[in-house]
Amino acid sequence: NAGVTQTPKFRVLKTGQSMTLLCAQDMNHEYMYWYRQDPGMGLRLIHYSVGEGTTAKGEVPDGYNVSRLKKQNFLLGLESAAPSQTSVYFCASRVLAGNTDTQYFGPGTRLTVL
Amino acid sequence: GNSVTQMEGPVTLSEEAFLTINCTYTATGYPSLFWYVQYPGEGLQLLLKATKADDKGSNKGFEATYRKETTSFHLEKGSVQVSDSAVYFCALTLSGGYQKVTFGTGTKLQVIP
Repeated sequence: NAGVTQTPKFRVLKTGQSMTLLCAQDMNHEYMYWYRQDPGMGLRLIHYSVGEGTTAKGEVPDGYNVSRLKKQNFLLGLESAAPSQTSVYFCASRVLAGNTDTQYFGPGTRLTVL
Repeated sequence: GNSVTQMEGPVTLSEEAFLTINCTYTATGYPSLFWYVQYPGEGLQLLLKATKADDKGSNKGFEATYRKETTSFHLEKGSVQVSDSAVYFCALTLSGGYQKVTFGTGTKLQVIP
C-alpha cells in the first residue's frame, strides 16, 4: 500500500500561472480533503469530498477548484496563482467506519508563487 | 462553530522531562477528539484519539483524557525523547459521520539531549 501520495512535491509558479496538484489514495476511502498549512495558522481546509463525483467548500476555498472524477484521486487546481497561495498543501483521505475515524495524510506539496 | 485552541509553542524540553501540551475545544455537538503528530518534512499522522467523555487515548507513551467538564484534551508524556521532537496538532470532529475535521494551530516540541 502506498497510502496517500501527492504530486508534485515542490513547485514554483509565477503570479497568474495555473497548476494542478494531484492526490491519490489506494485505501478505497470515501472522504478526501485538501488543506493548506501556513506558519502560525495550523491546517485550514480548502475543499473536501465525501465520495466520487462530489466536492464541497471548506474554510478557505477562494482561488481553488477541485475535482473527484475517480474515487482514488482528488485534484486541486489553481487557475491563476497569487503570492498569497504560497503554502504547503496536504491531501488526506479518511476512513470513517464504526469506532474508526482516522485521516491519512500525504507528504505535502510545497508551493511558492513569485 | 467548532474550534480548537492549543498552547503556543515552541516548547523546549530536556530529554526525560514531563510533557504537557494543552488543548481546549468548543463544539456544537458531541465531538471526537484527536492528537495528530507531524515529524519534520512529513504529513500528519494520528497519534491517539478519544470518542467520548472520560475516555483516555494512548499511544507510544502519550496519553490524553477527554474532559467534558473543562472541554479539554491535554496531551501528556511522562518522559520525552529526542525522537518526539515534532509538531503536535489537536483536532476534533463531531460524531455521527460529520464531514469536517477542525485542527488547532499546532504546538512545536523540541527535545534536547
